[in-house]
Amino acid sequence: EAGVAQSPRYKIIEKRQSVAFWCNPISGHATLYWYQQILGQGPKLLIQFQNNGVVDDSQLPKDRFSAERLKGVDSTLKIQPAKLEDSAVYLCASSLDPASSSYEQYFGPGTRLTVT
Amino acid sequence: QKEVEQNSGPLSVPEGAIASLNCTYSDRGSQSFFWYRQYSGKSPELIMFIYSNGDKEDGRFTAQLNKASQYVSLLIRDSQPSDSATYLCAVIGSSNTGKLIFGQGTTLQVKP
Repeated sequence: EAGVAQSPRYKIIEKRQSVAFWCNPISGHATLYWYQQILGQGPKLLIQFQNNGVVDDSQLPKDRFSAERLKGVDSTLKIQPAKLEDSAVYLCASSLDPASSSYEQYFGPGTRLTVT
Repeated sequence: QKEVEQNSGPLSVPEGAIASLNCTYSDRGSQSFFWYRQYSGKSPELIMFIYSNGDKEDGRFTAQLNKASQYVSLLIRDSQPSDSATYLCAVIGSSNTGKLIFGQGTTLQVKP
């Protein structure tokens, strides 16, 4: 079974530029998550999708971050404009529908973003 | 008070010893608990999950949950140098939407 795919793996941009990350979840996983992990900290949820609907985006800085999952499969996370403090690893994870009582989440390899 | 707390370590144990990693959480209604292992420069890898009070064993790993004390732990028996990593405790809170709340992680060093 293929895992969660993410691209690009690394990105370096200057502040005020824009950047986009892509994620393809495990086949059959209805729920998709984007997390931000700053060095030395645990991941923090930015946004959670159930199929193509948003379940939780309470910690997404909506003035600069946006995300979509139009067809309920792959997803894109965008930052515009980027700030220095956005330097982090952006992790995508997926899980089966929570209604199945299976909550285990599996992570992709992540995208390491450096903002200079 | 942080929602999920872990001692950042590092926790250093000799090869072959038992490593004990601890985690406390603040949301008394939390139902699902997870341990992830994260090697440097890699993404988190799920190694254990536990939903009920008591112990759950999987190979060299044992997860322990005490909901009354709001405490979850991970024991690693016969620790190997390859177990050296950061261990992240994660909890799904009482909202039960699937959102994981992570601790900051405990760094484990297993010395040959």
